Amino acid sequence: DTAVSQTPKYLVTQMGNDKSIKCEQNLGHDTMYWYKQDSKKFLKIMFSYNNKELIINETVPNRFSPKSPDKAHLNLHINSLELGDSAVYFCASSQEAGSNQPQHFGDGTRLSIL
Amino acid sequence: KNEVEQSPQNLTAQEGEFITINCSYSVGISALHWLQQHPGGGIVSLFMLSSGKKKHGRLIATINIQEKHSSLHITASHPRDSAVYICAVRGYGGATNKLIFGTGTLLAVQP
Repeated sequence: DTAVSQTPKYLVTQMGNDKSIKCEQNLGHDTMYWYKQDSKKFLKIMFSYNNKELIINETVPNRFSPKSPDKAHLNLHINSLELGDSAVYFCASSQEAGSNQPQHFGDGTRLSIL
Repeated sequence: KNEVEQSPQNLTAQEGEFITINCSYSVGISALHWLQQHPGGGIVSLFMLSSGKKKHGRLIATINIQEKHSSLHITASHPRDSAVYICAVRGYGGATNKLIFGTGTLLAVQP
């Protein structure tokens, strides 16, 4: 069973479109994250939710809106996609916020904007 | 300048060689993570350290809190070790578990 699963794995779309990426974890973790990995493989935190509440919101354009319907799911909706949004987006989870527990990552969603 | 720096950025080794990847950071931390990312693949957590040394198979991670430095060693390297190795630190943030990532080290082990 996949611990942290993201869908879709690949997403190719036109500039200006709206798209969503879904993430689910079956580890019973309280905290989930979205990371963006740019073309140079540099990872950066975007958002984090703990028990459905937003606890980290980095400087991300408000075209990006995370939604956590329950603590096992954290979805990412992106409005009006731009060329610079092309990247790999990783979802992750950990036992609880503020703890030194390892984070478990999904396989990533490769977003390409045409 | 990034708060977490790794060296080298790229590393090519022959199968069987002993490999060292270094990570230096400039912030106070509560833990340091080493992650592995295979080409086109997901990210796997290898180690989480707050002091001393950890070993798992052929991989060894050490950390020196006073010097703000960590190393990842691979003994008897193998082509399947070829991947990007990423160092990440977690600062003292209260109720957050925010990781700050290094730029990664691309390792290629040739047969």
